Amino acid sequence: NAGVTQTPKFRILKIGQSMTLQCTQDMNHNYMYWYRQDPGMGLKLIYYSVGAGITDKGEVPNGYNVSRSTTEDFPLRLELAAPSQTSVYFCASSYSPRQLAGNTIYFGEGSWLTVV
Amino acid sequence: DQQVKQNSPSLSVQEGRISILNCDYTNSMFDYFLWYKKYPAEGPTFLISISSIKDKNEDGRFTAFLNKSAKHLSLHIVPSQPGDSAVYFCAASGWGNQFYFGTGTSLTVIP
Repeated sequence: NAGVTQTPKFRILKIGQSMTLQCTQDMNHNYMYWYRQDPGMGLKLIYYSVGAGITDKGEVPNGYNVSRSTTEDFPLRLELAAPSQTSVYFCASSYSPRQLAGNTIYFGEGSWLTVV
Repeated sequence: DQQVKQNSPSLSVQEGRISILNCDYTNSMFDYFLWYKKYPAEGPTFLISISSIKDKNEDGRFTAFLNKSAKHLSLHIVPSQPGDSAVYFCAASGWGNQFYFGTGTSLTVIP
């Protein structure tokens, strides 16, 4: 039972480089999210998706792009990496944000990104 | 604007005693609340949830309390164990498409 899988786990990027963080879930969840967590800070929402083909900005979307071509996959693209994007990135998924029996948000293990 | 706040960045408790983690929210439309636990180098994992139709939800050593009039929720851990040492996040959802997370409280349980 894989849940939410994100890759890579660690990556060092040079300023100006681009990369894609991959995320896939096997729970057939409609909703998927990308969060970032800076040292000593909480989880800030970058982008989210309510279903295949539908994405929307969260609190801190600048410098990132997403796509959702399938229910399972929600990649996060960093264009022109900057030191301010050094962070830990978490992909997550849920059936819904509504209060339903057993409903919760599931997280991947995180991707540690350093931009130098 | 932070809609979910955890005003205590850290908390230390002796093993065997009660740990009380607090969370405040500003949006009265929130009706579903969750607590997550996060160890270093791992993703957050779900602990317990509570909906607005309840004021208490218990699961083993963990009890979530909700005070809607005060827009306040808390997580009680009794008895606290060293393995409970982690960062705890509260989260809320309501009318929109997101979960809103607090900034976290780092709990240290001292053996």
